[in-house]
Amino acid sequence: SQKIEQNSEALNIQEGKTATLTCNYTNYSPAYLQWYRQDPGRGPVFLLLIRENEKEKRKERLKVTFDTTLKQSLFHITASQPADSATYLCALGSGYSTLTFGKGTMLLVSP
Amino acid sequence: GAVVSQHPSRVICKSGTSVKIECRSLDFQATTMFWYRQFPKQSLMLMATSNEGSKATYEQGVEKDKFLINHASLTLSTLTVTSAHPEDSSFYICSARIRDTEAFFGQGTRLTVV
Repeated sequence: SQKIEQNSEALNIQEGKTATLTCNYTNYSPAYLQWYRQDPGRGPVFLLLIRENEKEKRKERLKVTFDTTLKQSLFHITASQPADSATYLCALGSGYSTLTFGKGTMLLVSP
Repeated sequence: GAVVSQHPSRVICKSGTSVKIECRSLDFQATTMFWYRQFPKQSLMLMATSNEGSKATYEQGVEKDKFLINHASLTLSTLTVTSAHPEDSSFYICSARIRDTEAFFGQGTRLTVV
């Protein structure tokens, strides 16, 4: 069955540093991968989508890579800020299929 | 981006009663909506896919008689938790998608059954 792994332990970094979160998957060949941000007690908010034929995508301070050989995506937040503290979820999908979500990684950015 | 509105955000109910949660797409028509359940520090678990004008498709292990889903219009889907029990206490979230792009989520509903 499909399996998505994200770092279960919280990632603690200092303000201004680059945060890197990992999403690994097995038993799946997704057409695209998405990253979401979720704050406590709130629904997830979409951040970025990257398709299988794309290696890298950027949006402001965010950068996502997608390596279909390694079955891995890396999510980077440069010049991190305390306001970036949240849980980040990766999700896989193909076509119009339902998305499969990872458990998420909590990011804590200290001032 | 598109807006999905979910109400209520919090609800406390007594065991044995029913609770209805509404999910509305405010600025687009959603032929398909998804209902998720999330436990603390856990992933979003898909409960069912709600299709406008037809019966919902439930995931394995989800009791369709307990979690009633109605998608009466292109902008409204409802989830009713019937005969609620304390183990039904959880965070319920709806979402809608436009084609194969991102999912737009509601604010979520924290259900507490006492």
